[in-house]
Amino acid sequence: DTGVSQNPRHKITKRGQNVTFRCDPISEHNRLYWYRQTLGQGPEFLTYFQNEAQLEKSRLLSDRFSAERPKGSFSTLEIQRTEQGDSAMYLCASSSRTGSNSPLHFGNGTRLTVT
Amino acid sequence: AQTVTQSQPEMSVQEAETVTLSCTYDTSENNYYLFWYKQPPSRQMILVIRQEAYKQQNATENRFSVNFQKAAKSFSLKISDSQLGDTAMYFCAFSPSTSGTYKYIFGTGTRLKVLA
Repeated sequence: DTGVSQNPRHKITKRGQNVTFRCDPISEHNRLYWYRQTLGQGPEFLTYFQNEAQLEKSRLLSDRFSAERPKGSFSTLEIQRTEQGDSAMYLCASSSRTGSNSPLHFGNGTRLTVT
Repeated sequence: AQTVTQSQPEMSVQEAETVTLSCTYDTSENNYYLFWYKQPPSRQMILVIRQEAYKQQNATENRFSVNFQKAAKSFSLKISDSQLGDTAMYFCAFSPSTSGTYKYIFGTGTRLKVLA
């Protein structure tokens, strides 16, 4: 169990550019979550997957945001045409066992700064 | 809509003392799970304690315990014998278990500082 891994740790980009983040969950976990956290706030739910199926998306996830989990393993979160308001910490978490609310295991996050 | 409220943005406690962090939630679900997570400065979020709503007994994990009041929709965290390493943001979280969604909803957090 190597934990949830997120890359990159930090990303600085100019407004209007596209960025992509990667998350590698704990290997046996079938659920994967993306959250956004701004300074001094709690994590805000963006989306989650069960295996490769994206089961729920938040209304916070505008059409500039897309997430994939093609083989039910790692996931990517892409933000197109970034805006300054996208600056935040993007957290990935995974959990195991279908049918129960197993605790989330979080990665260290990717901090995005849009200039 | 399901919401989680933490009304104490910041708290401090002397080392070795006891502190209680408050959390209330709103839901129409009858069965759900509640969690407390800890996020130390610049470090990843980790689970502190978990409570299943159908269990009347309050969960405990070493120095950490909860006071779960289902009728009042209250879920407070008590930290006994506070240690400097307990300094962190603490987030209360809710997850329904009967509506077919496994989304976790977090509060805005309480920043706890343990003073030497």
